[in-house]
Amino acid sequence: EPEVTQTPSHQVTQMGQEVILRCVPISNHLYFYWYRQILGQKVEFLVSFYNNEISEKSEIFDDQFSVERPDGSNFTLKIRSTKLEDSAMYFCASSVLAGGQFFGPGTRLTVL
Amino acid sequence: AQKITQTQPGMFVQEKEAVTLDCTYDTSDQSYGLFWYKQPSSGEMIFLIYQGSYDEQNATEGRYSLNFQKARKSANLVISASQLGDSAMYFCATSRGSTLGRLYFGRGTQLTVWP
Repeated sequence: EPEVTQTPSHQVTQMGQEVILRCVPISNHLYFYWYRQILGQKVEFLVSFYNNEISEKSEIFDDQFSVERPDGSNFTLKIRSTKLEDSAMYFCASSVLAGGQFFGPGTRLTVL
Repeated sequence: AQKITQTQPGMFVQEKEAVTLDCTYDTSDQSYGLFWYKQPSSGEMIFLIYQGSYDEQNATEGRYSLNFQKARKSANLVISASQLGDSAMYFCATSRGSTLGRLYFGRGTQLTVWP
């Protein structure tokens, strides 16, 4: 069964460093998303992406964040200058026209 | 804005019994989607079931069914014949319009299935 994949599974970085989180959505899906979950809290929407542009973003998704689909398969989230409060599990998701959004296994980001 | 309320922080059920996880939502939209996700201790988010606001019949997927009561704005998840592997955090979520919009999640219910 096709699935969303994410790399790395765990990323440790120093505050102020740039990180890139990578996702490979399900191949026939056209809509892509990033969510995050701070430990013990609910899942929060960051951004959605369709047709090579951002379709919606939340108040969390400020100028420090960017997304890109550099080729036909990858979808990336970049955090330009990480802060301690960016430590969280980051989930990529993808969907087709109908049905649920399918989530990847997540990348646990730890900012020291 | 959409809002999801899950009032049960924890639920316990014996193996093979059915359990209902509560979810209420708040929206002024006519068209919206309702979703349930399972998050085991390993951390991944597993899509379980979807209900559209215009769907007249309750959604079912195997042992999962969604008890949709539109007038009460509730979308409870019913798990029949619980298994030990059902022990996990369960999140209810809603989207505006179709299934393609951002999801708004509740705080989750931790389900523990005991033998």
